[in-house]
Amino acid sequence: RKEVEQDPGPFNVPEGATVAFNCTYSNSASQSFFWYRQDCRKEPKLLMSVYSSGNEDGRFTAQLNRASQYISLLIRDSKLSDSATYLCVVPSITGGGNKLTFGTGTQLKVEL
Amino acid sequence: NAGVTQTPKFQVLKTGQSMTLQCAQDMNHNSMYWYRQDPGMGLRLIYYSASEGTTDKGEVPNGYNVSRLNKREFSLRLESAAPSQTSVYFCATPAPNTGELFFGEGSRLTVL
Repeated sequence: RKEVEQDPGPFNVPEGATVAFNCTYSNSASQSFFWYRQDCRKEPKLLMSVYSSGNEDGRFTAQLNRASQYISLLIRDSKLSDSATYLCVVPSITGGGNKLTFGTGTQLKVEL
Repeated sequence: NAGVTQTPKFQVLKTGQSMTLQCAQDMNHNSMYWYRQDPGMGLRLIYYSASEGTTDKGEVPNGYNVSRLNKREFSLRLESAAPSQTSVYFCATPAPNTGELFFGEGSRLTVL
C-alpha cells in the first residue's frame, strides 16, 4: 500500500450536494492527520486537522478510522467556492524533516 | 505581515543554466522547507532546515542545493537545470505548536 492514497477525481457535484472523499494511509502509528485545500495554481492551505476520531468545522467534517486506516472529508451543502483540490497529509514512514507525506489530491468541481 | 514570500514566481531556463529560488518568512519560525509539486505526484520534500545553520536532504534532493542564510531566508539553487526539474516549487514553514504548514505562493519553473 502506498503511504497515502487518494482518489484523484474529479468529483463533479451540483451545488448543495453532500460529497465525501477518502484517504487511505499505511503508517498504522500515525497520530495526526491534515486536510489541505489547494485552489488552481495557488498554494495549499490548511483546511482541517484531525487528531482523534474526527473534527467538524461548519459544513466540513473530517473522520478518522484507525482500524481501516483511512480518513474522510465530508462537505455538506457544497458551494461553488468549494471547487478545489483537497490534499490528504499524514505522518510519513520514510525520511524528511517534517515527516509528512502528501497525497496527490482529490479534485472537486461544484456546478450550478 | 506577508507570511512566506517566494521569488521569482515564474522562470524559464535552458538546460544547463543555473538559478536560485528565494524564500523569506516573517513568522519567526525555526523550520523551513522546499517542496516540488508535479502532476500526479503530490508534494515532495526536496530539502529542509530545522533551524538556522542546519539543512538536511528530503525525499528528492538530487540536483539541488540549499542555503539557510539566516532565520528568515532559505534559498534553493539549481546548479545545472534539467528538463526533469520543470515543476512548481513551494517554500513552507510549519507552526511550531500545531504543525500547520504555511506555504509561499509558489515558483513555476520550466526547463527547456
